[in-house]
Amino acid sequence: DAGITQSPRHKVTETGTPVTLRCHQTENHRYMYWYRQDPGHGLRLIHYSYGVKDTDKGEVSDGYSVSRSKTEDFLLTLESATSSQTSVYFCAISEDKDTGREQYFGPGTRLTVT
Amino acid sequence: GQNIDQPTEMTATEGAIVQINCTYQTSGFNGLFWYQQHAGEAPTFLSYNVLDGLEEKGRFSSFLSRSKGYSYLLLKELQMKDSASYLCAVRDRNNAGNMLTFGGGTRLMVKP
Repeated sequence: DAGITQSPRHKVTETGTPVTLRCHQTENHRYMYWYRQDPGHGLRLIHYSYGVKDTDKGEVSDGYSVSRSKTEDFLLTLESATSSQTSVYFCAISEDKDTGREQYFGPGTRLTVT
Repeated sequence: GQNIDQPTEMTATEGAIVQINCTYQTSGFNGLFWYQQHAGEAPTFLSYNVLDGLEEKGRFSSFLSRSKGYSYLLLKELQMKDSASYLCAVRDRNNAGNMLTFGGGTRLMVKP
């Protein structure tokens, strides 16, 4: 299995509080991604990174920011959590851009905003 | 943008064969992936198609027709452990990263 961990695995927070989710990899892969998964919507890309300090927005980036100061860590921050951000968040990594190399997913973080 | 459609749910019998279809519309197709996701777990990679035709991998096969914007995942000799969601994802050559757009997933229930 690809070495990807996410922390925390579960979190309950209140509306308006800041939340940071961490994704850590030991594979030295260049690309890292944050997705959210909700019933009826499948996996949707929030932000991605194509190198240290290189990030870009995905399909549902509003209300989220990311940072990548080291190859192995990709942080997702909710500046002021809202109930609509209750979801399961998956981090993924990818070695290459244009080959058949797939994205490997972390175990997920279940976030509940009350 | 991209639009990916797959059935929401399917039911099949243990030992049978099931075909899960996926249709897509994209401006710059650059590969189609199938993932399996058991309830409460992360998606895991099943197959990749970038050229037309069938890719076989044990009990699982995946087919692609780029001209029709169509793929299917074929599961043979179904086992109870195959009960899971199956996610179709398309990569677009117009994006900077290896970004995938996912369909909503097909929840497969295998019955004895």
